[in-house]
Amino acid sequence: GAVVSQHPSRVICKSGTSVKIECRSLDFQATTMFWYRQFPKQSLMLMATSNEGSKATYEQGVEKDKFLINHASLTLSTLTVTSAHPEDSSFYICSSPGQGRGSTDTQYFGPGTRLTVL
Amino acid sequence: GEDVEQSLFLSVREGDSSVINCTYTDSSSTYLYWYKQEPGAGLQLLTYIFSNMDMKQDQRLTVLLNKKDKHLSLRIADTQTGDSAIYFCAESNDYKLSFGAGTTVTVRA
Repeated sequence: GAVVSQHPSRVICKSGTSVKIECRSLDFQATTMFWYRQFPKQSLMLMATSNEGSKATYEQGVEKDKFLINHASLTLSTLTVTSAHPEDSSFYICSSPGQGRGSTDTQYFGPGTRLTVL
Repeated sequence: GEDVEQSLFLSVREGDSSVINCTYTDSSSTYLYWYKQEPGAGLQLLTYIFSNMDMKQDQRLTVLLNKKDKHLSLRIADTQTGDSAIYFCAESNDYKLSFGAGTTVTVRA
């Protein structure tokens, strides 16, 4: 089946620094990539949708200037948390519905990145 | 917005069946999913059902969908210790997923 990787799997940073999370589709072309955030003991919440070659669409309440998304190629989408603060500490997960899919009969999730901001 | 609700905890004896329930509000959902999340890990797709189906069986997993009541359930037969995890139901609309809060399933010997 399709594989999505994320890097890094875990990152600890100081408050005020920026952190980049990479999401790669390893064996398919990811036209669309979704970015989710999961706080402890809570559900996943969709943050934004990125489409290759165009600007990302952010969900209500998600600051686009703080969470920069770049989807410059069909196999790589990146999420940069700028000027991270402790409240940004969370589990960030990307997913893609796969290559050229017109509907989500399935989605492929990355393993997630745990961000801890001190 | 869409709401997906599920019970938070389920404790089951090893070998018994587990039933996890979920309700949703968006009647235009096209697909409904069950995901499994083990501690510290990402999501694993267990199974999914198209909205025009009412049942799907896959080995130990049985999904029942009552579209009229917007009720989805996942039955795990012969529950094993390796089934201990958080189970999320999710619905999709316009390619986006909305998740429930997750049901923590604990399997006891």
